[in-house]
Amino acid sequence: GEDVEQSLFLSVREGDSSVINCTYTDSSSTYLYWYKQEPGAGLQLLTYIFSNMDMKQDQRLTVLLNKKDKHLSLRIADTQTGDSAIYFCAEGLTDSWGKLQFGAGTQVVVTP
Amino acid sequence: EAGVAQSPRYKIIEKRQSVAFWCNPISGHATLYWYQQILGQGPKLLIQFQNNGVVDDSQLPKDRFSAERLKGVDSTLKIQPAKLEDSAVYLCASSLTPMDTGGRGLGREQYFGPGTRLTVT
Repeated sequence: GEDVEQSLFLSVREGDSSVINCTYTDSSSTYLYWYKQEPGAGLQLLTYIFSNMDMKQDQRLTVLLNKKDKHLSLRIADTQTGDSAIYFCAEGLTDSWGKLQFGAGTQVVVTP
Repeated sequence: EAGVAQSPRYKIIEKRQSVAFWCNPISGHATLYWYQQILGQGPKLLIQFQNNGVVDDSQLPKDRFSAERLKGVDSTLKIQPAKLEDSAVYLCASSLTPMDTGGRGLGREQYFGPGTRLTVT
């Protein structure tokens, strides 16, 4: 099974906030990433957080990291229909440049 | 700046046939990755190159999959012979190297191509 776990589906109304959750298992992970994938497209990096940080905010995106519980979340404020996509959480290992372990993805559907 | 290019975008083959995918990374990116993304799953790293050398191929099924990056720029991934379970999207990504970025997080950003959707019948 996946070392990185995410819920599979999230439905949210336009204008509301979305929260996507992720748990990971490798305590040596130093960077944690959120990627977005739209239909028929590759993955787009949204944001990342270094493991010594608790929070990172980038415009409408807020990442929260609870290293003790190995829990990562992505909050999207004022969710828009263009935010409908699959969101992947990924962990990067300290001793392995570039090697990422992805979760299975959370499909976010934004309804008007 | 041009992104990561991949071709073909779609491929349908019969089992036991061979197939090859091509990737051209972003100019200046020495690190290149091939991922396999099965429907409903996250991408799984198959192989990672730095320049023309293999960094990690621990999850590459070497009995049927091969990859090369002879001149350290573009790369090909081959499957021979294909099996039904190889049906997936094959994603190529590229990034800078630790030496380019001093190990800083931003330099680890991987830029993904649009992928090649392979269907094996």
